[in-house]
Amino acid sequence: KAGVTQTPRYLIKTRGQQVTLSCSPISGHRSVSWYQQTPGQGLQFLFEYFSETQRNKGNFPGRFSGRQFSNSRSEMNVSTLELGDSALYLCASSKGLGRETQYFGPGTRLLVL
Amino acid sequence: QQQVKQSPQSLIVQKGGISIINCAYENTAFDYFPWYQQFPGKGPALLIAIRPDVSEKKEGRFTISFNKSAKQFSLHIMDSQPGDSATYFCAAPKYTNAGKSTFGDGTTLTVKP
Repeated sequence: KAGVTQTPRYLIKTRGQQVTLSCSPISGHRSVSWYQQTPGQGLQFLFEYFSETQRNKGNFPGRFSGRQFSNSRSEMNVSTLELGDSALYLCASSKGLGRETQYFGPGTRLLVL
Repeated sequence: QQQVKQSPQSLIVQKGGISIINCAYENTAFDYFPWYQQFPGKGPALLIAIRPDVSEKKEGRFTISFNKSAKQFSLHIMDSQPGDSATYFCAAPKYTNAGKSTFGDGTTLTVKP
């Protein structure tokens, strides 16, 4: 069974631009969560989607948004990029919303110049 | 708000030694405690997890010890190997929301040959 895939793997943007990251969960998984990983802040929860609905949201500004499609694939969007948005963005999938194992993708490394 | 505190930040161990990483949590609603292992360029992968109804769980060279009264849990890596060199994260997801996990800041383990 294929793992969680994320595209693109690397991205360079400039301040003020916007970016869209994509995540394909493991087949059969309906929950997708997004995390931001930085050296200084560690792993920070962004949001979680289940059945095309956002179920939970972390403490990030409204510039960060996401969505989930009927096939469980998910995208996250960051508008008006700031230098501090440079990070590794990780997607994790699980079967449902319960106490289940999350499987992480390799991440998208975003560099904002 | 830091709900999971992990220590040490970095750890250097000789091959064959014991690596010990500790986590303390604040929210008593947490009832599932996983440890993740992350290699450079990869997303975190579940290593081992414990539920608070047991005090210890062992899988191969990896053991989780759980102290409910102290609200602490720790990861022990016996007979540490250079291949164990990675960053380790503890996490504490809520029961009804595995996607929304609070992660510790991570411990970078280096096992010297």
